[in-house]
Amino acid sequence: QVQLQESGPGLVKPSQTLSLTCTVSGGSISSGGYYWSWIRQHPGKGLEWIGYIYYSGSTYYNPSLKSRVTISVDTSKNQFSLKLSSVTAADTAVYYCARAKAAAGYSDYWGQGTLVTVSS
Amino acid sequence: EIVLTQSPGTLSLSPGERATLSCRASQSVSSSYLAWYQQKPGQAPRLLIYGASSRATGIPDRFSGSGSGTDFTLTISRLEPEDFAVYYCQQYGSSRGITFGQGTRLEIK
Repeated sequence: QVQLQESGPGLVKPSQTLSLTCTVSGGSISSGGYYWSWIRQHPGKGLEWIGYIYYSGSTYYNPSLKSRVTISVDTSKNQFSLKLSSVTAADTAVYYCARAKAAAGYSDYWGQGTLVTVSS
Repeated sequence: EIVLTQSPGTLSLSPGERATLSCRASQSVSSSYLAWYQQKPGQAPRLLIYGASSRATGIPDRFSGSGSGTDFTLTISRLEPEDFAVYYCQQYGSSRGITFGQGTRLEIK
């Protein structure tokens, strides 16, 4: 059973960089066949795809966030990470990591989500 | 970018009734790339349907998906109390981007 767990600060100051890590267990990121994704949900709102990374390091980002987003992977630790720069209060959200089937895009396993608040 | 519009925004039904949720795309979507999720308060989304009509592992057969092109439907044949939640459709595009619909809230009447 694949499990994903987000970790990182729950509070980030405006203009700083939000950094989260997703640790994958029960499966190897290096095995291929999946995109490793970040998705967020503003309080009381819908889902917004941020981007994903393939084990090879290829990345795809939401065009609306692309200038501020970096997703990286550490296959040795079976982790992937999100960095979102120059955050504002509008980036306050629950951030989920998920596993998405490559070439199909649906996410079959999700982390529990972590709330990140942007505030001074 | 393909925009997905879900309707209705809120659906009020009673247990035992049939629910029909709609997802309309701004341009044609391959059926292979259309998925549905269920989300309950405080929980991560749960994959229900992928490829427009294939049930994910462990999903009861009262959930079914259909549609093609720009119009897709999620049907719950007989509502159980645990089915009242928010439902999202999602598409995977040719540019390899992902977009979600805004969601349909299914509430107990």
